[in-house]
Amino acid sequence: GQNIDQPTEMTATEGAIVQINCTYQTSGFNGLFWYQQHAGEAPTFLSYNVLDGLEEKGRFSSFLSRSKGYSYLLLKELQMKDSASYLCAVPSNDYKLSFGAGTTVTVRA
Amino acid sequence: DSGVTQTPKHLITATGQRVTLRCSPRSGDLSVYWYQQSLDQGLQFLIQYYNGEERAKGNILERFSAQQFPDLHSELNLSSLELGDSALYFCASSVGNGTSAGEETQYFGPGTRLLVL
Repeated sequence: GQNIDQPTEMTATEGAIVQINCTYQTSGFNGLFWYQQHAGEAPTFLSYNVLDGLEEKGRFSSFLSRSKGYSYLLLKELQMKDSASYLCAVPSNDYKLSFGAGTTVTVRA
Repeated sequence: DSGVTQTPKHLITATGQRVTLRCSPRSGDLSVYWYQQSLDQGLQFLIQYYNGEERAKGNILERFSAQQFPDLHSELNLSSLELGDSALYFCASSVGNGTSAGEETQYFGPGTRLLVL
């Protein structure tokens, strides 16, 4: 199975940058997902990394290092609407997608 | 709006009862996934169907069952409900033409909030 670890909570100021780390252990690597979930709402897809390196998508970027079993999600120019839970997820070879517990990001004015 | 629909949005019932949650995937998606999310457990994978067939099973209780119909909509049946079954139940869908891994992007419905009293 997958073992996924990410911090429980992070707080940052509007306009700042926050980096959410995710470490994982998996028997067979098939990429890594990041999802955003506002309280009481559905998770929404942010990014999918399958190769090492940084992928940038507007204010959000995601980095992957397969050799280190490590990824991070970088949120730049934070806005109040970015206050949400960010879920790291790793697929396995048996069609399953395992989610981390999520990191709750609070953006303060 | 992801294109995945779920009904009902809210459900309040009593212990010992049975409920059915319904999901319609995005147009063209063949795979449907069910997840349970409670405050203390995070998002837990329950079961996946692909084109009507069960493809993967997670930590789904024996009291729970699901199926996917020929029109690709899916239902999750929860029976002999207990207080601990109170949670958000999400359905997600994906294209379904991936390999053996769960590497397809999943699109989540708005969820059904179940409260068991």
